[in-house]
Amino acid sequence: QKEVEQDPGPLSVPEGAIVSLNCTYSNSAFQYFMWYRQYSRKGPELLMYTYSSGNKEDGRFTAQVDKSSKYISLFIRDSQPSDSATYLCAMSAGGSYIPTFGRGTSLIVHP
Amino acid sequence: NAGVTQTPKFQVLKTGQSMTLQCAQDMNHNSMYWYRQDPGMGLRLIYYSASEGTTDKGEVPNGYNVSRLNKREFSLRLESAAPSQTSVYFCATVAGGLYEQYFGPGTRLTVT
Repeated sequence: QKEVEQDPGPLSVPEGAIVSLNCTYSNSAFQYFMWYRQYSRKGPELLMYTYSSGNKEDGRFTAQVDKSSKYISLFIRDSQPSDSATYLCAMSAGGSYIPTFGRGTSLIVHP
Repeated sequence: NAGVTQTPKFQVLKTGQSMTLQCAQDMNHNSMYWYRQDPGMGLRLIYYSASEGTTDKGEVPNGYNVSRLNKREFSLRLESAAPSQTSVYFCATVAGGLYEQYFGPGTRLTVT
């Protein structure tokens, strides 16, 4: 079992839908959680960063961490075709600057 | 600011040839990383450099060497390329004491 599990998809939704992307993990030492967005043939770009449990909101994006369940989510409201990309989760333990990445979920938002 | 730049963008090598992938950053970040990304495998860490003058192996270091030339530059060398090294290579950086990584645009390498 990988330390971080992420469904590769693809996840196909209509424009305007609420999207939920998820990762589960097994290492209880993880404290720092990141979401990256990667467009086709581009490098990953940091989307959201959260520390420990709780929610963080940035525009249409909300990152949620449930450490008790070892489960993190990224919600996208009012999804747009421009949100079509691969979304990677990543997480680190305190003091470790080597993050563990999920394999990414491919999201397709169709008009 | 350019952020993280990588050269070349594309490269085709024959088996046994050597090449160096270059990465440079103008973000004044301490740590730099080299990853490879293959379909279905996600990002795999090849080498990293926590600070200028230090380098350490990651998950898949075999067949690669690195040099942290100075704080700005971190190069990845393939001494004798193999078809299994066909991949997209990404350089990333992290500011000191933080955890978020910033990636370059990638180098697409094909080894025939």
